[in-house]
Amino acid sequence: KQEVTQIPAALSVPEGENLVLNCSFTDSAIYNLQWFRQDPGKGLTSLLLIQSSQREQTSGRLNASLDKSSGRSTLYIAASQPGDSATYLCAVKDDYKLSFGAGTTVTVRA
Amino acid sequence: EAGVAQSPRYKIIEKRQSVAFWCNPISGHATLYWYQQILGQGPKLLIQFQNNGVVDDSQLPKDRFSAERLKGVDSTLKIQPAKLEDSAVYLCASSPITDTQYFGPGTRLTVL
Repeated sequence: KQEVTQIPAALSVPEGENLVLNCSFTDSAIYNLQWFRQDPGKGLTSLLLIQSSQREQTSGRLNASLDKSSGRSTLYIAASQPGDSATYLCAVKDDYKLSFGAGTTVTVRA
Repeated sequence: EAGVAQSPRYKIIEKRQSVAFWCNPISGHATLYWYQQILGQGPKLLIQFQNNGVVDDSQLPKDRFSAERLKGVDSTLKIQPAKLEDSAVYLCASSPITDTQYFGPGTRLTVL
């Protein structure tokens, strides 16, 4: 059974600092890995999707890397802003199902 | 493009009562998912539909939970009878052929 872990569970940074969020998974036989953002009282929004054959994906200030062999992914958010405050979840897809981590709750202080 | 719609947004019931949630996916999306997200945890897949058919319901507590997808479009998830541990946010998502899932805002269920 796939287990997805995100550490830390929460972090607080001052505005402008770069964010580094970690995700680890136990079974490396995955099809892809996704990073989602969840705002309070709202659903999930997909940020980046990395296929198993890829090493990284970038979108604006966001960059996600994937090391399938070691079961790790990292989400980098450059020059954080208060609007980046949210919970970030990673999810891995094996067979046809997504397995989610519990998320990292980020607070960016103005 | 309209997003995934869910109703109600909030529901409070007492244990042993019944409750139903409704989901309208994005038009044209063949795959529909129901997730349960308990506070402090990531979403857990309850059931996945491909058009009218069930692809995976291995984590659905079938003694109390049921779900159906009408004509391959809308879907309802029912809990009967509810338990305290069913308190959670129930998320519906849909996807086209690609891997990206689009999530609705969720229904927050509180069981007293």
